[in-house]
Amino acid sequence: GNSVTQMEGPVTLSEEAFLTINCTYTATGYPSLFWYVQYPGEGLQLLLKATKADDKGSNKGFEATYRKETTSFHLEKGSVQVSDSAVYFCALSLNTNAGKSTFGDGTTLTVKP
Amino acid sequence: DAGITQSPRYKITETGRQVTLMCHQTWSHSYMFWYRQDLGHGLRLIYYSAAADITDKGEVPDGYVVSRSKTENFPLTLESATRSQTSVYFCASSTGTGENSPLHFGNGTRLTVT
Repeated sequence: GNSVTQMEGPVTLSEEAFLTINCTYTATGYPSLFWYVQYPGEGLQLLLKATKADDKGSNKGFEATYRKETTSFHLEKGSVQVSDSAVYFCALSLNTNAGKSTFGDGTTLTVKP
Repeated sequence: DAGITQSPRYKITETGRQVTLMCHQTWSHSYMFWYRQDLGHGLRLIYYSAAADITDKGEVPDGYVVSRSKTENFPLTLESATRSQTSVYFCASSTGTGENSPLHFGNGTRLTVT
């Protein structure tokens, strides 16, 4: 079956620190990969996506590269801000899976000033 | 405004009662989904729908019923609520599959079953 594994949290960083949140996946086929962000009291929002191997998704200073050889899609940001504090979810979706997405368990990021 | 709205935002109900959570989207997206979010379990798919009048079970469908008579609405009913159904419920929609499947989420309904 399909699955997504994220690094366990919570993660606490100081402002301007470098962020990496690891994500690896297992899929039967060639998935599209996504990172979502959830702020307190809100639903998830799409942060970035990549649809094929070696694609790099980027948005708001966050980046992730689709690595087929290591089945990974790690999220990175060079300098985090307090406003980046949120829960981050890695997810995959397959064309053959009726639009369903498989999510990781989420990683809580807290950025301190 | 265009978007996906869920109601109510908060609901407290008693064990054994029937409760319906509403979801409405204004984009005319084909696909709609119901997830529940629980600590330690991430997001789990309850039911999904590929189009009006087409629904199917997800990972944790027991105790839930859905319908989709119109493209824009996808209500979720708990037929006889149990304490284990205390959770935050998210409705989501998307235009298609694969690269077209980024989900658009509502803000959730926090349900407490006493």
